[in-house]
Amino acid sequence: DAGVIQSPRHEVTEMGQEVTLRCKPISGHNSLFWYRQTMMRGLELLIYFNNNVPIDDSGMPEDRFSAKMPNASFSTLKIQPSEPRDSAVYFCASTRLAGVEIGELFFGEGSRLTVL
Amino acid sequence: QQQVKQSPQSLIVQKGGISIINCAYENTAFDYFPWYQQFPGKGPALLIAIRPDVSEKKEGRFTISFNKSAKQFSLHIMDSQPGDSATYFCAASRAAGNKLTFGGGTRVLVKP
Repeated sequence: DAGVIQSPRHEVTEMGQEVTLRCKPISGHNSLFWYRQTMMRGLELLIYFNNNVPIDDSGMPEDRFSAKMPNASFSTLKIQPSEPRDSAVYFCASTRLAGVEIGELFFGEGSRLTVL
Repeated sequence: QQQVKQSPQSLIVQKGGISIINCAYENTAFDYFPWYQQFPGKGPALLIAIRPDVSEKKEGRFTISFNKSAKQFSLHIMDSQPGDSATYFCAASRAAGNKLTFGGGTRVLVKP
């Protein structure tokens, strides 16, 4: 079975440019999470969706970041305009939400973003 | 505000030795404590998890110890192998909150 699929795997862009990261969760999973990983701050939860609805976006750093989940099989994380401090590895993860219990999170391989 | 504190940041252990990673949490509402393992260039993957109704859980060479009164939990890797070299993250969540908070990570290097 395919795991969580993220694209692009690597992105190098210049400050001020728009960046769009994409995620396809595991089929049948109804919760999707976006995390950011840096050496300084570790793994930070940015936003998560249940059944395509954003539940908690308190981790989104600022208005330059936005995330959407138009359907159960696709999500995007957009940064506009990008800044050098956004350089990080962005992970998407999904799980099957059973009742209110959180289960095992399945992570993609990440999108490494470098903003020059 | 870091709700889950993890130590050490890194450790080196000889093959066959024991790796010990400690985590402390603040939120008493947390009731699910997983550990994730991450290899370079990969996403984290669930290794083992515990709930506060048990004090210890063992899966193969990996053991979680949990101390509810001290709000601490730890991962022990027995008979450490070079293939165990990875970054390990503890995490915590409230089942009702459905939101996993990670510790800062521990980079483990097992020398042959």
